[in-house]
Amino acid sequence: SQQGEEDPQALSIQEGENATMNCSYKTSINNLQWYRQNSGRGLVHLILIRSNEREKHSGRLRVTLDTSKKSSSLLITASRAADTASYFCATDPGGYQKVTFGTGTKLQVIP
Amino acid sequence: EPEVTQTPSHQVTQMGQEVILRCVPISNHLYFYWYRQILGQKVEFLVSFYNNEISEKSEIFDDQFSVERPDGSNFTLKIRSTKLEDSAMYFCASMDYGYTFGSGTRLTVV
Repeated sequence: SQQGEEDPQALSIQEGENATMNCSYKTSINNLQWYRQNSGRGLVHLILIRSNEREKHSGRLRVTLDTSKKSSSLLITASRAADTASYFCATDPGGYQKVTFGTGTKLQVIP
Repeated sequence: EPEVTQTPSHQVTQMGQEVILRCVPISNHLYFYWYRQILGQKVEFLVSFYNNEISEKSEIFDDQFSVERPDGSNFTLKIRSTKLEDSAMYFCASMDYGYTFGSGTRLTVV
């Protein structure tokens, strides 16, 4: 698998349901970030979790990180139609090196 | 909150023409990056820049590409002779303790 591989590739849910996206990576990281991208638009930074953290919350977002399994998950609770977007994880090895983006999950929230 | 600014937001160019994409990083950041995203694909690293030098580049960043910090505030990406496959969204980022991405320039080569 590639560094930053996400599943599912696409997810379609009803408004009000929870959406869970997973990210797996291969090499060691300093932190892992999640971004949202509306179709054809820029990257919006959602949340950053450091390698020594296991869980982080921000509003309706909950991110977990399991460094032993080299995986992270993003949970969006009580989804809204406006959450429809692509979601990417990005791994940061630290030391000002490049971040590596995952393949993304395309989320569709049906009103 | 400080922002990374990219201009233009959309540029259309003829194949074979040179384009310059501009970025204004956050003023006290020292590390700068360019990424690109071909439509529908993942975001790919192009190049990183520190202390007026390229610190790392990907295999995508061939001789057609160059970067420059001409005046201490702007950070530019030049594509010398554009090809159809250069059509993509180009993102600039700068970093201090964390990454900040610009909103991107959509380059369309026709």
